[in-house]
This record gives sequence, C-alpha cells and structure tokens, in this order.
Amino acid sequence: GQQVMQIPQYQHVQEGEDFTTYCNSSTTLSNIQWYKQRPGGHPVFLIQLVKSGEVKKQKRLTFQFGEAKKNSSLHITATQTTDVGTYFCSQGDTGYALNFGKGTSLLVTP
Amino acid sequence: AAGVIQSPRHLIKEKRETATLKCYPIPRHDTVYWYQQGPGQDPQFLISFYEKMQSDKGSIPDRFSAQQFSDYHSELNMSSLELGDSALYFCASSSQIPGELFFGEGSRLTVL
Repeated sequence: GQQVMQIPQYQHVQEGEDFTTYCNSSTTLSNIQWYKQRPGGHPVFLIQLVKSGEVKKQKRLTFQFGEAKKNSSLHITATQTTDVGTYFCSQGDTGYALNFGKGTSLLVTP
Repeated sequence: AAGVIQSPRHLIKEKRETATLKCYPIPRHDTVYWYQQGPGQDPQFLISFYEKMQSDKGSIPDRFSAQQFSDYHSELNMSSLELGDSALYFCASSSQIPGELFFGEGSRLTVL
C-alpha cells in the first residue's frame, strides 16, 4: 500500500474549539480509513472513504476525501475532552493490510 | 458483542528468550492481522492471514513467525528477543468489509 503522511503531529486545543487533521499521499489512493486510538487503548475504526470528493459525517466529525483521491481530512467541531486521542489515517489495497499514517495526537483541555 | 481476544495482556521476557502471543478473532472473521506499535508510534503491519493462509507480509523480522490454526486463532512467535522488540502487539480481524479492522486490546511485551 501507499505511504500516507499526516499533519499536524500534535494539536492542543481548548474545549469547544475545532480541530482538523490532514492526510496526504503523493499517489492516488483507492480508499482511506480513519481510526481513533485513546491513550492506552487500541485503534478503533471510525470510517472508510472510497469515492472522489466523498464527504461523510458522524455527529461532530466530518470526513472528506479529496477530488483527486490524494488527500483526506478529519474535522471535529466543538471538541470535547472525550475527543482526546490519536487519530490515524490508513490506506490499504483490497486484500492487503492497512498502512497507517504517523497519526495526529489531539489534546483537549477544559 | 464478541471482540478480538488477545493473550497474554502483559509479558515480560529477558533478551534472547522466546515469546508467544495468541489472538482469537471475532467469530466468522476470515482475516487476522498482527501489528506492532512502539511508544508514540503508529501501528506497523507485521503479517496477516486469510483463511489460514498467509495473505500479506510487512516488516516482520525473520526471528518472528506466525500462523493461523484451524479454529482461526492465530499465534505470533518471537524468538531471540531484543530490547527493541518491546512494544504493544495488536491483533486485528476483519470480515468482508475492506478497511474495517477490529483490534484487540493488545499484548504489551517488555524485553529486559
């Protein structure tokens, strides 16, 4: 699978502020997934994007897949302390394992 | 709902010893993956099995081996352990939905 790059590496926000993490690739991706890992926990699947320009929402979370399928973003509106964790994007060709980005660690202070 | 079960949860070994981690996937999931995650790092793919056959191989050292058994559980065998092998080892399983992996709680290996 292709290597995906994530930015920023860390983000510290006040509760109620918005947060965005970006995932970029130099090549066209067939799909992209987003996972969340709480401190001391295991990665938990959030969503998968497959179509060019796709936008999906889960409550305060908005996921986008770029038109060229080379980038993706995860946006959290009005962060809460429960959003703390590391958000990973990943990519994997069908039938093969997922390759994870380096992740963005989000810290939310009340 | 049943989740991926990993054992042991914690393991302490000396250098040059061997260790075996076990993984019991979610029932009816046909693919098992092993990942290694160092402190502050992203999960690194080691190896995967589909229907008991190795399906993909990542950055797994030659000192490590794995297999999936007839009951679909999988074991990761690590020999000649090194300090750098200290990490969280995750097992994940998936069904027919690509990209959606279900991770276990992980096995934390400490090599002294």
